[in-house]
Parts: sequence; structure tokens; C-alpha cells
Amino acid sequence: GAVVSQHPSRVICKSGTSVKIECRSLDFQATTMFWYRQFPKQSLMLMATSNEGSKATYEQGVEKDKFLINHASLTLSTLTVTSAHPEDSSFYICSARFTGEGYTFGSGTRLTVV
Amino acid sequence: GENVEQHPSTLSVQEGDSAVIKCTYSDSASNYFPWYKQELGKGPQLIIDIRSNVGEKKDQRIAVTLNKTAKHFSLHITETQPEDSAVYFCAASINGQFYFGTGTSLTVIP
Repeated sequence: GAVVSQHPSRVICKSGTSVKIECRSLDFQATTMFWYRQFPKQSLMLMATSNEGSKATYEQGVEKDKFLINHASLTLSTLTVTSAHPEDSSFYICSARFTGEGYTFGSGTRLTVV
Repeated sequence: GENVEQHPSTLSVQEGDSAVIKCTYSDSASNYFPWYKQELGKGPQLIIDIRSNVGEKKDQRIAVTLNKTAKHFSLHITETQPEDSAVYFCAASINGQFYFGTGTSLTVIP
């Protein structure tokens, strides 16, 4: 149980285009989801906290107009990287809280902007 | 905000030996400390966790210890196997927000 499905697993896009990444909780309702970014051989950095039905809370230094987060339902949160540039290339991972202090992570999305 | 430091960054051990990874945290409000194993190209997988009201927890070959006073916690893997080779991350959680250590690349040499 407590599975988060993240799609796509890999995406290559042209510079200037937008990319949407989805995270779905398959067997539980996730009122809160978290979005992380991971550069090669580095740790995961929290980007934002997504709450169902309200605006996301962004960490300091994360551009909210560039990384659009939508959490419209209890099972789906999306991260849209707008006007992507090569420096946005990274591994993006979501996580969701399923019960008490239990959290599960998606499998990640490798974004490459060319 | 919370600051989590992790050491060592790389660790090589012979198969069958033990491996120890240490983390420190800065915010005494952190109350949940999970450890994750991440294989190449995949998301982190929870391997063990400990809460602030517990000093030690063990699950087969894996154990975690927590010293709240000193604000540090450690991962211990005994009888290491080649499949234990991966990157391990510690994390400290405050109200569900996770702050990760910088990771330890563990290599178990057959």
C-alpha cells in the first residue's frame, strides 16, 4: 500500500517549452505532497509543499512562477516547469504523507532540457 | 531552517563487514528521522526510521541510533552484501517537511 505513481519517468524538452510532471497517490488520499529537486550526485532539496485545494508553499529561492504546482484533488499533484532552460535539467521527486508520519516517494522524473 | 549534515560522503567496505553512516541536525524541533536508500535513476526508498522518543531501532541487519541531546543519529548496516551498494540519505523531519543529508555512496566489495 501507500504507493505514489510519478510520470513521466524521463522527459526531454526544448528550451522555452513547458513540462508537466504528475504524482498520483494510488491507494490513499494525500492532503499534502512535497516536491523535491535533486542534482547529480547531490541531495534532495525541498522545493515546495503542496496542499490540496490551496496554494503551494515554496521554499526560499524557488521561483513560484517558474515551478507551478497544482494540487486540485486528494490524489493528484502536478509540477509544471514553465519556459524550461538547460539549468532546469534535474531529477524531480514528489512525496506524499499517507498516515501519521508515514511518507512515500514517487520514482522520480529525469528532466533534460536541450 | 533545519540543516542536516551527513558523513562520510563515500564509504567502501568488504562484504560481510559493517558500515556506519552518521548525520547531525540543527533544529531541536525535528522529531522524525528516516533513512533512505536510493539506487541509480530511482526515487528514495525508506529503509528504517526513528522517532524522537526512541533511542535505537533495529530491523534485521539495519539499525539506527538517535542522540537527541547531541542532535545526531546514525545508520548501522551489519553483514553487508553487494546489494547494499547504493546512495543512502538521512533526513530530519519537521511537520512533514524533510531536510535531507548530502548522501553517502556505499560500495560493498565482494
